[in-house]
Amino acid sequence: GAGVSQSPSNKVTEKGKDVELRCDPISGHTALYWYRQSLGQGLEFLIYFQGNSAPDKSGLPSDRFSAERTGGSVSTLTIQRTQQEDSAVYLCASSFQRGAGTDTQYFGPGTRLTVL
Amino acid sequence: GQQVMQIPQYQHVQEGEDFTTYCNSSTTLSNIQWYKQRPGGHPVFLIQLVKSGEVKKQKRLTFQFGEAKKNSSLHITATQTTDVGTYFCAGPDSGYALNFGKGTSLLVTP
Repeated sequence: GAGVSQSPSNKVTEKGKDVELRCDPISGHTALYWYRQSLGQGLEFLIYFQGNSAPDKSGLPSDRFSAERTGGSVSTLTIQRTQQEDSAVYLCASSFQRGAGTDTQYFGPGTRLTVL
Repeated sequence: GQQVMQIPQYQHVQEGEDFTTYCNSSTTLSNIQWYKQRPGGHPVFLIQLVKSGEVKKQKRLTFQFGEAKKNSSLHITATQTTDVGTYFCAGPDSGYALNFGKGTSLLVTP
């Protein structure tokens, strides 16, 4: 596609339920990132995928959060047993992987998650 | 770990006034990137600075990278209402991700 796409754009769920958020990166981009942005805050790094390498999960806030990337393309971020503090906009970004921290990241429109 | 701090957190200016946001890192950076996020939108890449002391311009926007490669600034000359948004700087983390500052939110009043 022309850009990074994410679905759903909005998700309202009840506390304790599981949610899945999807990211479809730009075709040809080997690196994929998930970030979380709480209201009026900066971007909090969650997880990073590069090709077939083991993902960098250092930013995941708890073991309720997990992510996978199938076939080096689409990624799914799963939050189990959601809590109200999980409410935020979840942003996905992708990039060509030319070097450590040197790539321009292209962001998707985000998924706004609201946990009631 | 490496931290990126931005000041100010908020800035409210009259249209036509200048605006500057500052970014400081606790460690030396190999490069720094700037992104803009419009209200309700997602971050969009503006520029990357790599060299010590580098200065780059994009129309009314001037970006600087400090000599020690630990700080950077974005200056907007004669702000317009289209400049409204949050400006983020970002430096490489220990891995391949970017470490974003908390951003400076700019409000421009006509």
